[in-house]
Amino acid sequence: DAKTTQPNSMESNEEEPVHLPCNHSTISGTDYIHWYRQLPSQGPEYVIHGLTSNVNNRMASLAIAEDRKSSTLILHRATLRDAAVYYCILRGNAGNMLTFGGGTRLMVKP
Amino acid sequence: KAGVTQTPRYLIKTRGQQVTLSCSPISGHRSVSWYQQTPGQGLQFLFEYFSETQRNKGNFPGRFSGRQFSNSRSEMNVSTLELGDSALYLCASSRPQTSGILIDTQYFGPGTRLTVL
Repeated sequence: DAKTTQPNSMESNEEEPVHLPCNHSTISGTDYIHWYRQLPSQGPEYVIHGLTSNVNNRMASLAIAEDRKSSTLILHRATLRDAAVYYCILRGNAGNMLTFGGGTRLMVKP
Repeated sequence: KAGVTQTPRYLIKTRGQQVTLSCSPISGHRSVSWYQQTPGQGLQFLFEYFSETQRNKGNFPGRFSGRQFSNSRSEMNVSTLELGDSALYLCASSRPQTSGILIDTQYFGPGTRLTVL
């Protein structure tokens, strides 16, 4: 699977929107962009995924650049519970596994 | 629906011993994957089992092994423990498609924290 690049950490204020960027310049045409997050002392959990079009679900929105070389996870109103490490992962035909990078540690201030 | 369960949650072993960790997937899920998480290396894929067969394997030594039972429950075993095996071991289950791109959502358990002294 192609590699992703994310900032090590970001800070946000509670109830403000958060934009978490991810660069994946070597993405292939069949790679899906997945986001998982890991809350403290828990296993990772699925957040959202997309291929080309922007996606929305109850947790977040995913904005995908037109050339697909970058994407942004958007939390519309950050809460303290959203403090976690967020992982951007590309998934293609390599198999049913996740290749995690370093992720972005999101800190939410009250 | 019950989530992925892992037992035990915490384990302390000494170097040279072996350990067996257990994972019960979500009902109906036939794929079980194992991951190791350490502060230095982050989250790394160990192996995946599907229908009692190892289907994918990460880059770990042969001391790390696993198996899956007919009810999809899985165990992983680490023999001749080393200090560097201290980690959080995570299990994830999914219901992968039988053909095409395997992009099913993975559901993780809380992990087993292994400490090797």
